[in-house]
Amino acid sequence: GAGVSQSPRYKVAKRGQDVALRCDPISGHVSLFWYQQALGQGPEFLTYFQNEAQLDKSGLPSDRFFAERPEGSVSTLKIQRTQQEDSAVYLCASSLATGNTEAFFGQGTRLTVV
Amino acid sequence: GENVEQHPSTLSVQEGDSAVIKCTYSDSASNYFPWYKQELGKRPQLIIDIRSNVGEKKDQRIAVTLNKTAKHFSLHITETQPEDSAVYFCAADNYGQNFVFGPGTRLSVLP
Repeated sequence: GAGVSQSPRYKVAKRGQDVALRCDPISGHVSLFWYQQALGQGPEFLTYFQNEAQLDKSGLPSDRFFAERPEGSVSTLKIQRTQQEDSAVYLCASSLATGNTEAFFGQGTRLTVV
Repeated sequence: GENVEQHPSTLSVQEGDSAVIKCTYSDSASNYFPWYKQELGKRPQLIIDIRSNVGEKKDQRIAVTLNKTAKHFSLHITETQPEDSAVYFCAADNYGQNFVFGPGTRLSVLP
């Protein structure tokens, strides 16, 4: 595809349920980022991959959040035992090189925990 | 780590007028500053960016200025049009590995 693709676009989860959010970056892009965007706020950094290596996970809010990119392409963000405060839009972005290059965002996954 | 502040949080201008959004950052090591436009329900899209070795960059009606000494940068939109209405986010790179975003400015262009 031409851009970053995320699935599902919308997810409703019952509190306590586990969810998995998928990101397909632009082919050949080395860097991949996950951000969390609450309503009316700017994107908040969660984690960063360079190829398959997770170089920074300092933004993950708790050990219920886990991300992987095993083959350096598709990435999955997993949230275990979801809570209401996890409700947000989860944005994935990719960039061609490391650092200081344009990041292209996906449409995001809107997660609602009820 | 980096911290980015952005002002104003909301901005209303008449069609044809100019709009200016200002951001400050905390880490003098940051050297890449992108601006994103996000329409309601859509993905953020890059509209312009600037690197620290440049003081100003212009692309048609959009320009960005950077003052490294003062650690602030600004977005200037001239001849605003209704389709410029959106939320605008500034960002700064954080050790070249990710981006820290400002809280956003909601721009409304009134016809």
